[in-house]
Amino acid sequence: DTEVTQTPKHLVMGMTNKKSLKCEQHMGHRAMYWYKQKAKKPPELMFVYSYEKLSINESVPSRFSPECPNSSLLNLHLHALQPEDSALYLCASSALVGVSNQPQHFGDGTRLSIL
Amino acid sequence: AQSVSQHNHHVILSEAASLELGCNYSYGGTVNLFWYVQYPGQHLQLLLKYFSGDPLVKGIKGFEAEFIKSKFSFNLRKPSVQWSDTAEYFCAVTPFTGTASKLTFGTGTRLQVTL
Repeated sequence: DTEVTQTPKHLVMGMTNKKSLKCEQHMGHRAMYWYKQKAKKPPELMFVYSYEKLSINESVPSRFSPECPNSSLLNLHLHALQPEDSALYLCASSALVGVSNQPQHFGDGTRLSIL
Repeated sequence: AQSVSQHNHHVILSEAASLELGCNYSYGGTVNLFWYVQYPGQHLQLLLKYFSGDPLVKGIKGFEAEFIKSKFSFNLRKPSVQWSDTAEYFCAVTPFTGTASKLTFGTGTRLQVTL
């Protein structure tokens, strides 16, 4: 089992809906990440939070809105999504120690389908 | 920006055969290198990592990888594969920084091990 918990595991929503994806870790990691993974493709970075502040936004459309309410939680708020946004959304976390990028620990993902 | 190439998209091996998966990266500075594995229906798991020092790194489940700086390569090896090694394997790179930074994945190699 992974130490990064994502809910829900599956989500089906219409293009006008508003929903949120949640991610939680209790490893004391101070970096958290959102990735998007399409079928048979590698994960692609969307956002990075360091010490609860957004540090990287990979030019993600504004219909995706991340939030990091505390050091253990990461949310991804969804609004007015398009069918092409259907994908597996992965959350990851990593420690911020030393000068090397510590390995990222991944959750199981939320499989999102847009109708 | 960094990039990663994995030239083997689909590899089929018999049990006990030796494995080598190629990975080349492109980046103008120092990098941290990773191999992740994704078993069917499971989350991404770290196999091994290279930060610095001995270019031959050993990971879990008998895997090892060798960093050859002059070739910008980080190939994954295992002397004898098992049926349970059937999975998708991703090479990944991140710039060497002291902060959370972008992890870029290769396109992945699907390994199928037959009995």
